[in-house]
Amino acid sequence: EIVLTQSPGTLSLSPGERATLSCRASQSVSSSYLAWYQQKPGQAPRLLIYGASSRATGIPDRFSGSGSGTDFTLTISRLEPEDFAVYYCQQYGSSAWTFGQGTKVEIK
Amino acid sequence: EVQLVESGGGLVQPGRSLRLSCTASGFTFGDYAMSWVRQAPGKGLEWVGFIRSKAYGGTTEYAASVKGRFTISRDDSKSIAYLQMNSLKTEDTAVYYCTRVCPPNRAFDIWGQGTMVTVSS
Repeated sequence: EIVLTQSPGTLSLSPGERATLSCRASQSVSSSYLAWYQQKPGQAPRLLIYGASSRATGIPDRFSGSGSGTDFTLTISRLEPEDFAVYYCQQYGSSAWTFGQGTKVEIK
Repeated sequence: EVQLVESGGGLVQPGRSLRLSCTASGFTFGDYAMSWVRQAPGKGLEWVGFIRSKAYGGTTEYAASVKGRFTISRDDSKSIAYLQMNSLKTEDTAVYYCTRVCPPNRAFDIWGQGTMVTVSS
């Protein structure tokens, strides 16, 4: 099973700042199958990024994804108040999925 | 509107069974694989299992933590996916989400609102 490790666990930033979230895999992951999700309290997760770098429908362009192999990054260029949430990376391989443990982006 | 609605959650004793339903609308249900994801209170997301579309055999795969106890099925005529949970344990307590698997990138592009399952005596 591929283990995804996200860092940092918590990111304390102010609105307007840039957020950089990391997702590291225990072995190489196909970029086609790397996704990022956002979850706000009391809500279901929402797909942000698929295929490592493609934004899902309706996702603002301040969200971007990059990376390959074992290292992937989600960047939020300028944090808006509604972006403070928990973010999860996810990978698919061998007919199974795994999630990272999540990064909480909180207001500083 | 594309939508998934879960139902069937509740309080159940350890060792008992429970069946969750996921009713889909707004898309051709039979064309998609469907997956279940759970989230224990205050914890992260855990993939539970999925069922392929009939075009790909309608077969299933499960996480090791539930294999042999949980069964996913589908009724394409009703646009419903099911999660049958047997031999429930306290550690199965979680919000259970139904998701649509988006081909070909295998991301979960649509999520239900979730249904809470509490396993406790």
